[in-house]
Amino acid sequence: GEEVAQTPKHLVRGEGQKAKLYCAPIKGHSYVFWYQQVLKNEFKFLISFQNENVFDETGMPKERFSAKCLPNSPCSLEIQATKLEDSAVYFCASSQVLRGEANYGYTFGSGTRLTVV
Amino acid sequence: KNEVEQSPQNLTAQEGEFITINCSYSVGISALHWLQQHPGGGIVSLFMLSSGKKKHGRLIATINIQEKHSSLHITASHPRDSAVYICAVSDYGGATNKLIFGTGTLLAVQP
Repeated sequence: GEEVAQTPKHLVRGEGQKAKLYCAPIKGHSYVFWYQQVLKNEFKFLISFQNENVFDETGMPKERFSAKCLPNSPCSLEIQATKLEDSAVYFCASSQVLRGEANYGYTFGSGTRLTVV
Repeated sequence: KNEVEQSPQNLTAQEGEFITINCSYSVGISALHWLQQHPGGGIVSLFMLSSGKKKHGRLIATINIQEKHSSLHITASHPRDSAVYICAVSDYGGATNKLIFGTGTLLAVQP
């Protein structure tokens, strides 16, 4: 499809519970990105994939966060033992580089709002 | 100091006005993005540019690489343009690399 599909739209977890978020990138897009929007306009990069391979994981809190992009499955972001500070909107985006063109824009999903109580 | 700075932070305009939002960045970039986020939260990519100027409908984006500055213009503004406009840059790799986000400009267009 022509949209990045994120599920669920809303997720509420008690502190210490696990949270799992999903992202289906646009078909044909090779790159997938996860961002965390904590405050109104503060975005933090978490991790990116090129197909099923981790491309850049410099933003990932390694202790409790993990992510995967497996063939023929939506990508996933999992948070073990959630904390109050994990409450945020998590956005997924996908992109593709076209032959002969160095840059091709991102398409964002509508986000998953995670609330940890 | 943020690597990507936007001004103004808040902007209120009357319907029909010409609007300019500015973005300055301190890192070397391969591409700059203008994004729109509506109150419902969804993010729409408006432009990605690495040089010159792009136009889409009433929106125009320009970039000056030497001055590390970009502007987003909205002509004949309308209340439906009310949203947060975010400037974001890729420091290399264009569409393959992570974005560094500015703090956004909250635009309210009044009828």
